[in-house]
Amino acid sequence: AQKITQTQPGMFVQEKEAVTLDCTYDTSDPSYGLFWYKQPSSGEMIFLIYQGSYDQQNATEGRYSLNFQKARKSANLVISASQLGDSAMYFCAMREGWNQAGTALIFGKGTTLSVSS
Amino acid sequence: ETGVTQSPTHLIKTRGQQVTLRCSSQSGHNTVSWYQQALGQGPQFIFQYYREEENGRGNFPPRFSGLQFPNYSSELNVNALELDDSALYLCASSLAQGAGLGFPGPQETQYFGPGTRLLVL
Repeated sequence: AQKITQTQPGMFVQEKEAVTLDCTYDTSDPSYGLFWYKQPSSGEMIFLIYQGSYDQQNATEGRYSLNFQKARKSANLVISASQLGDSAMYFCAMREGWNQAGTALIFGKGTTLSVSS
Repeated sequence: ETGVTQSPTHLIKTRGQQVTLRCSSQSGHNTVSWYQQALGQGPQFIFQYYREEENGRGNFPPRFSGLQFPNYSSELNVNALELDDSALYLCASSLAQGAGLGFPGPQETQYFGPGTRLLVL
């Protein structure tokens, strides 16, 4: 079973609009961290936002916020006021607390976001 | 800019050859993780080095090996290259509080380099 599921292969949004990118996860570990990364066509993965499993409030970083619904095991990324430079691939990733693979991240397959003017 | 650098940026090899990819971690970080990203897919974890020792490994064969040096930079070596090894190889550095155990926190965020694109012909 996939640990990170991103069901939207592609999303389209107009400039200045908000967009939500979906992510669901599967873990039995009570301690985990959830991350979102942005990958432009250049290839570099850019860290956007982090949410810990015990965090009481949803994480926010500038125009990025994470809609964390623990019971539903979802961690959706909300981008407010989209900009042309937001066009990229977006990955949701998880690190479980007790992990034989060190602090490895498990990634979803990604969602391509296209912002138009 | 994350301060994580990788070299080379692009590489073309033929089947059966060997390749070495290099990564310099961000200042103050003690952990380097390597990922393979095939076209159109999410990155897959290869292995991680923490304080010069392998700290975890994904589902990759032994012909994928690595090293971490005292300055925490790292190398990924791939022997007997296969066509399916063609991919973007990403390294990420982080500051791990322990050997991969315990509560994951934002301080352990992994910061990625620009990647090395490997093409195997």
